[in-house]
Amino acid sequence: NAGVTQTPKFRVLKTGQSMTLLCAQDMNHEYMYWYRQDPGMGLRLIHYSVGEGTTAKGEVPDGYNVSRLKKQNFLLGLESAAPSQTSVYFCASSSTRTSAYNEQFFGPGTRLTVL
Amino acid sequence: GQNIDQPTEMTATEGAIVQINCTYQTSGFNGLFWYQQHAGEAPTFLSYNVLDGLEEKGRFSSFLSRSKGYSYLLLKELQMKDSASYLCAVRDSTGGFKTIFGAGTRLFVKA
Repeated sequence: NAGVTQTPKFRVLKTGQSMTLLCAQDMNHEYMYWYRQDPGMGLRLIHYSVGEGTTAKGEVPDGYNVSRLKKQNFLLGLESAAPSQTSVYFCASSSTRTSAYNEQFFGPGTRLTVL
Repeated sequence: GQNIDQPTEMTATEGAIVQINCTYQTSGFNGLFWYQQHAGEAPTFLSYNVLDGLEEKGRFSSFLSRSKGYSYLLLKELQMKDSASYLCAVRDSTGGFKTIFGAGTRLFVKA
């Protein structure tokens, strides 16, 4: 049981380049989330999904797109990377079926630098 | 607006007790979480409160007062491995799935 995995772990991009971050979970969770974490700031929600084929905007969605074509995968895309998107990105998943708390399980993070 | 406040850093001694406070102002409330995050790692779930009062879980306890918008995390018998950031987070009741995180309190445990 791998839990939540993220690919890649590290990436350096040039301004204007695009990339996709992949999140996968093997816990059959309904809900998945993408956050960014910057020094001195809390985790900020970018986009989230309450089920396969559905996505919704979080606090800071601009510059990002997401897709959830399969229940176990949640993809985060950067179409044209900017230095302001330099951050650590965490994916998380949760379920109300397996826990009354619906607490979130986090992946190990992707450290992205945009030059 | 939505706001969660917690101290930036705290230092405590091995074997002691430390209390990390969190105050919040959110548009809705559907539970408060505490997560632990070691440097360079992912956050992991510690505790959940939705009703007023104290929840105890081994060396860790968490308290909630909804009327005061206040919570604390109490760590007893501190160990060096407790050196980490502690994130207070409030689940928004409006959407049901959004969780607002505080910036975290970095705890240093010294020998």
